[in-house]
Amino acid sequence: ETGVTQTPRHLVMGMTNKKSLKCEQHLGHNAMYWYKQSAKKPLELMFVYNFKEQTENNSVPSRFSPECPNSSHLFLHLHTLQPEDSALYLCASSQDHSNTEAFFGQGTRLTVV
Amino acid sequence: RKEVEQDPGPFNVPEGATVAFNCTYSNSASQSFFWYRQDCRKEPKLLMSVYSSGNEDGRFTAQLNRASQYISLLIRDSKLSDSATYLCVVNRASGGGADGLTFGKGTHLIIQP
Repeated sequence: ETGVTQTPRHLVMGMTNKKSLKCEQHLGHNAMYWYKQSAKKPLELMFVYNFKEQTENNSVPSRFSPECPNSSHLFLHLHTLQPEDSALYLCASSQDHSNTEAFFGQGTRLTVV
Repeated sequence: RKEVEQDPGPFNVPEGATVAFNCTYSNSASQSFFWYRQDCRKEPKLLMSVYSSGNEDGRFTAQLNRASQYISLLIRDSKLSDSATYLCVVNRASGGGADGLTFGKGTHLIIQP
């Protein structure tokens, strides 16, 4: 069973809604990530946090807002999304942000209507 | 050139056969390489790391050729349960460190009885 837990597993939201995705890791890792997986596209890195500090924002629109209150929790706040933002959003963690493997949560499947 | 490039397949292979996947990467400064496996509508999971000397784990063998910026995965005696998408993954080396991983689009493998 994965040590990275994401909630909710599925989310349908309107373009005017505000919602948040939550990720929690129980592995004692120091780095956490948000990835987006759209149909027929590779996983796209969105944000990287290392020891609670954001070290990467991969040109993500401001309608996506990450928050990392501590090394075990990561949020992705969503507001005024577009239908093309519908995708699988995956959280991952790794021991640190360098050359170590990443462990993924089961993802939140988001549909924007 | 795409950062990480893979043949998307699908590869249709009879059970028991040997199958090989290739992957090329563009960033010569990359330091870490992995193969991940992703089942339909599930999160990616680490299959194996790829080392310069090559490494083997049961029926799976991974090879790295730094000069050609090329990674391979060989699966021997394929099983029905090997059907999945195989993701080639390279670390995003930048400056003095690496932040997150870059994923290929994946190669879809179907093992047929």
